[in-house]
Amino acid sequence: DAKTTQPNSMESNEEEPVHLPCNHSTISGTDYIHWYRQLPSQGPEYVIHGLTSNVNNRMASLAIAEDRKSSTLILHRATLRDAAVYYCILRASGSGGYQKVTFGTGTKLQVIP
Amino acid sequence: DTGVSQDPRHKITKRGQNVTFRCDPISEHNRLYWYRQTLGQGPEFLTYFQNEAQLEKSRLLSDRFSAERPKGSFSTLEIQRTEQGDSAMYLCASSSPVRHTEAFFGQGTRLTVV
Repeated sequence: DAKTTQPNSMESNEEEPVHLPCNHSTISGTDYIHWYRQLPSQGPEYVIHGLTSNVNNRMASLAIAEDRKSSTLILHRATLRDAAVYYCILRASGSGGYQKVTFGTGTKLQVIP
Repeated sequence: DTGVSQDPRHKITKRGQNVTFRCDPISEHNRLYWYRQTLGQGPEFLTYFQNEAQLEKSRLLSDRFSAERPKGSFSTLEIQRTEQGDSAMYLCASSSPVRHTEAFFGQGTRLTVV
């Protein structure tokens, strides 16, 4: 199963943009890139996903490298509520579910007031 | 739509006892997943149901673990003869047959084996 590599932790000042990197050099051509985040004492929460093109939604933006071996989750203005562990995971396309995804240890984002 | 519900939220048990956790997925979600999460680690896959059929089990799921989803709705995860190493957060997630790209997680059941 393809794995991802993320920094263990990052800091950001409140209301500043945050760029969370993820390396996935062994990604398959049919794997989607998903980002989830986990707030303290909560289950993971879906943030965004993409395949090849950059994606935007109300929570964040996802920038995917042209060779798909890395991606960056962008939070445009960090708030204290964004302090969480962010997981970058790969999920097989088609009918592939979440049984083969590997969450790893994620990036713990600290937001400084 | 009240989200994925897990019960209990916390469970403390003595080593050797059996415990059972329940997960109620979002209604009409046909896929249901169980994960285990230890401190400082991401969730690790345990098992997966599509409707009532258990389609896949991780090698993490030892013989002491059993999961069911009898009517394709709620699911239970039972751990027999608990060990201290079973102490963890047990997470349940479900996904829709229409939009299976997104998994919805419950808040988890935190198990402490003393």
